[in-house]
Amino acid sequence: ETGVTQTPRHLVMGMTNKKSLKCEQHLGHNAMYWYKQSAKKPLELMFVYSLEERVENNSVPSRFSPECPNSSHLFLHLHTLQPEDSALYLCASSQKLSFFDSASYEQYFGPGTRLTVT
Amino acid sequence: KNEVEQSPQNLTAQEGEFITINCSYSVGISALHWLQQHPGGGIVSLFMLSSGKKKHGRLIATINIQEKHSSLHITASHPRDSAVYICAGQGAQKLVFGQGTRLTINP
Repeated sequence: ETGVTQTPRHLVMGMTNKKSLKCEQHLGHNAMYWYKQSAKKPLELMFVYSLEERVENNSVPSRFSPECPNSSHLFLHLHTLQPEDSALYLCASSQKLSFFDSASYEQYFGPGTRLTVT
Repeated sequence: KNEVEQSPQNLTAQEGEFITINCSYSVGISALHWLQQHPGGGIVSLFMLSSGKKKHGRLIATINIQEKHSSLHITASHPRDSAVYICAGQGAQKLVFGQGTRLTINP
């Protein structure tokens, strides 16, 4: 049983819809991440939150809007998406945020939300 | 050229064979992660290592910092090992991922 849960597991939405993806971690971690995995591409980091503050925004279009109300929950709000946004969206958490030349912390992944934009 | 390169991209083997998946990186990293992704998407962290070698059951991971190279080995492979194996370098604040190696073990 993973300590990181994501809902929904599957989502089909039209380009004019607004929906939200939810991630919850039960591990007491302080850092949470959103990743996008498109077909035949490496995982892409979208957003990083540490202690509820966004510390990384990897040039993600504004139609993706993250929210981290507390250290256990992370949301990804979606609006006016494009078909090319169809992908697997993965949430992960780690004990702390890893920095270069400092301690590295293992990331624990959720099962992902398979998003299809029609 | 990707900052993290894996080889091979696809690997098919028979049950019981010894498997090696390679990962080379061109960026500075503080650690290297090996991840396993099963059909359906869920990702499991297998190893995080910054030097030497780690072993967990039939899985062994090694890293050579000077050569910027890591390998994942599977001994006595089994069909349930079929998955995508991903290596990722830990850089400043983020992981840089390889494209993954799709492993299929036939009975």
